[in-house]
Amino acid sequence: SQQGEEDPQALSIQEGENATMNCSYKTSINNLQWYRQNSGRGLVHLILIRSNEREKHSGRLRVTLDTSKKSSSLLITASRAADTASYFCATGEMNTGFQKLVFGTGTRLLVSP
Amino acid sequence: DAGITQSPRYKITETGRQVTLMCHQTWSHSYMFWYRQDLGHGLRLIYYSAAADITDKGEVPDGYVVSRSKTENFPLTLESATRSQTSVYFCASRGSLEAFFGQGTRLTVV
Repeated sequence: SQQGEEDPQALSIQEGENATMNCSYKTSINNLQWYRQNSGRGLVHLILIRSNEREKHSGRLRVTLDTSKKSSSLLITASRAADTASYFCATGEMNTGFQKLVFGTGTRLLVSP
Repeated sequence: DAGITQSPRYKITETGRQVTLMCHQTWSHSYMFWYRQDLGHGLRLIYYSAAADITDKGEVPDGYVVSRSKTENFPLTLESATRSQTSVYFCASRGSLEAFFGQGTRLTVV
């Protein structure tokens, strides 16, 4: 089964609002990554947070990690229509030295002008 | 051109036929992956490879075969295509941490 599960499955907001999506995972990790997929395209890496970090920022992105709850959240501040995409979390499986990269089911974000 | 490329981008094949999807990367990344993406399932790992001649199964390997004779290439073969293998297939490579994805191959089995 998949390592990560994103919540919500779909999110619809207006431009300028913040978007928060959550990811839960099942096993121990050494890092957690977030990716973005525009419709019909491949995934693009957004941000990585290591297991010993609790929060990380990159531009309008803020990621948090709670290893005790096996969960992470991705916050996009001041959303733009161009942020419309699907967002996935990904983790490496411990029994493969964290190299086998497994993705969640994704959150579809729609940002309306 | 540097990057990761998949071919073909679109393919229609008949049930029972063998079809090979190609993946080529120019970074000499050690790790390569094949995923399939279906509505409601996100990305599911089919096979991955840690280096040339080293491959291992992912979540959904049945009906697929991979090989990796060269670091830069990681072809995925459907030995006898079935309608349930209709999907979008993504190849990815990974050097140290982040993965880079190809543009995908949309495969339809009729």
